[in-house]
Amino acid sequence: KAGVTQTPRYLIKTRGQQVTLSCSPISGHRSVSWYQQTPGQGLQFLFEYFSETQRNKGNFPGRFSGRQFSNSRSEMNVSTLELGDSALYLCASSLGSGSYNEQFFGPGTRLTVL
Amino acid sequence: QKEVEQNSGPLSVPEGAIASLNCTYSDRVSQSFFWYRQYSGKSPELIMSIYSNGDKEDGRFTAQLNKASQYVSLLIRDSQPSDSATYLCAVNRAGGYQKVTFGIGTKLQVIP
Repeated sequence: KAGVTQTPRYLIKTRGQQVTLSCSPISGHRSVSWYQQTPGQGLQFLFEYFSETQRNKGNFPGRFSGRQFSNSRSEMNVSTLELGDSALYLCASSLGSGSYNEQFFGPGTRLTVL
Repeated sequence: QKEVEQNSGPLSVPEGAIASLNCTYSDRVSQSFFWYRQYSGKSPELIMSIYSNGDKEDGRFTAQLNKASQYVSLLIRDSQPSDSATYLCAVNRAGGYQKVTFGIGTKLQVIP
């Protein structure tokens, strides 16, 4: 079974631009969560989507948004990029939503904002 | 107080020894606990999940959970240089949705 895939793997953008990241979950998985990882803050939860609905959201500004499609693929968008948005963005998929579901991570998208 | 606390390390152990990684969490309603391994430049890889008090063993790995003390640990027996990585503790609170909080991770170095 194929794992979680993320595209693109690397992105370089300039301040003020916007970016869209894509995540395809493991086949059969319906929940996709997004995380931001930086050396100083570690892994920070952005949001979770399940059955095309945002179920939960972390403490990030409204510039960070996402959506999920009927095939469970998810996209994350960041508008008006800031230097501090440079990070590794990870998505994780799980079978369902809820406490006892194991999450499996994709390889991540490395975003650099200049 | 951070929701999930780990010592960032590095924790250095000789090859063949037992590595003990510890994690405490603050939210008493937390229900599920996970250990991930992350190699430098790679994404986290799930090693163990544990949901009830006690020990859970999988090969050289043993996860231990004590909900009363809000403490979860990971033991790695017969440590190998290939175990050198950062180990992330993750905690999922109760509820019908995912809200996983990660610790900062403990860097483990296994010395040959």
